[in-house]
Amino acid sequence: DAKTTQPTSMDCAEGRAANLPCNHSTISGNEYVYWYRQIHSQGPQYIIHGLKNNETNEMASLIITEDRKSSTLILPHATLRDTAVYYCIVSPQSTDKLIFGTGTRLQVFP
Amino acid sequence: GAGVSQSPSNKVTEKGKDVELRCDPISGHTALYWYRQSLGQGLEFLIYFQGNSAPDKSGLPSDRFSAERTGGSVSTLTIQRTQQEDSAVYLCASSLEQASGKEGQYFGPGTRLLVL
Repeated sequence: DAKTTQPTSMDCAEGRAANLPCNHSTISGNEYVYWYRQIHSQGPQYIIHGLKNNETNEMASLIITEDRKSSTLILPHATLRDTAVYYCIVSPQSTDKLIFGTGTRLQVFP
Repeated sequence: GAGVSQSPSNKVTEKGKDVELRCDPISGHTALYWYRQSLGQGLEFLIYFQGNSAPDKSGLPSDRFSAERTGGSVSTLTIQRTQQEDSAVYLCASSLEQASGKEGQYFGPGTRLLVL
């Protein structure tokens, strides 16, 4: 499975866009990019996923580079409740388990 | 609609005892997963069910761990002869399998297991 690299931590001011990067330079053609987050003392929460095209839903946008070697999760207007650990995961279509790394700890401040 | 539910929410047991953890997936979700998260550690995959069968048990740490799923719905994770290193939050997730592509997994709140 492709591995991902994320910054350990990031800060973001409330109301501003939070842009969380992820490198997955060894991604294969059949691997999806998933983003999850885990708010303190809660189970992980699915955010969004994509294969090649950029994706947007009510929570976030996912921008995948043309070569698919990196992606960015965008929270357009961060709130204090978005403070969490954000995990970028690549997962092949042939398997279903998620391999979580250490993620990015996002701190949103007032 | 209702999300994934797990019970009990907390469990304290003595070393050597057996424990059963229950997961009720989202209605209609055919795939079910168990993970665990030890204190200060990342999330670790344990087992995956598609319907009632478990095509991937690769994450079970030892033969003291087993899981079953009946009726394509409820799943039970059993830990026999618990050890202190089994202390962790055990998380269950479910997803809707679609031929058109992979879907996200939806997690329950977890069961916090403490082995004394």
